[in-house]
Amino acid sequence: AQSVTQLDSHVSVSEGTPVLLRCNYSSSYSPSLFWYVQHPNKGLQLLLKYTSAATLVKGINGFEAEFKKSETSFHLTKPSAHMSDAAEYFCVVSFLSGNTPLVFGKGTRLSVIA
Amino acid sequence: SQTIHQWPATLVQPVGSPLSLECTVEGTSNPNLYWYRQAAGRGLQLLFYSVGIGQISSEVPQNLSASRPQDRQFILSSKKLLLSDSGFYLCAWSSGTAKNSPLHFGNGTRLTVT
Repeated sequence: AQSVTQLDSHVSVSEGTPVLLRCNYSSSYSPSLFWYVQHPNKGLQLLLKYTSAATLVKGINGFEAEFKKSETSFHLTKPSAHMSDAAEYFCVVSFLSGNTPLVFGKGTRLSVIA
Repeated sequence: SQTIHQWPATLVQPVGSPLSLECTVEGTSNPNLYWYRQAAGRGLQLLFYSVGIGQISSEVPQNLSASRPQDRQFILSSKKLLLSDSGFYLCAWSSGTAKNSPLHFGNGTRLTVT
């Protein structure tokens, strides 16, 4: 079965320290992968995407993610957290071509402590 | 550039009343259109998606319906709202059917059914 799992529902970091949000997927196909961020009462904004090009993907706001096929992972990282990074983050996977909708993880809430 | 508009931003409706949420996309043609619902503390649930005018696919059976009267217009409706319909409703579009087409979201509608 095809699925996506965000391993932490809540991550708390201090301002200026690294951020790691974990995402694993399960699929028989080669997926496309995305990370989205959602601030309170707002829509989701695309941070970055992986589409079978370079395995290390750089996104907006200093975030990046590395696709590791052997580990079926696509973890999101940032070297130094800012207060404005506090939000909900969603890992999203697209397994097939065609009109099949994307599969969303359940989200990880990132808190940044001053 | 492409933009997506969703309104209203917030809505409070009594149980049993009708609902109409509208979403329009500008700057692109023949987009795929989506309605998602996000309940408090939960991830995103796909409700409907559309690949063309008059073509609607329903993912979850419920008392909601969707229509696409024009290429870039997507409407979410209900004849009689239930308390369980409360949530954050998000409209989104994507540019094609390839698996690496990301979703672009509107700012959402916060619906409270009282």
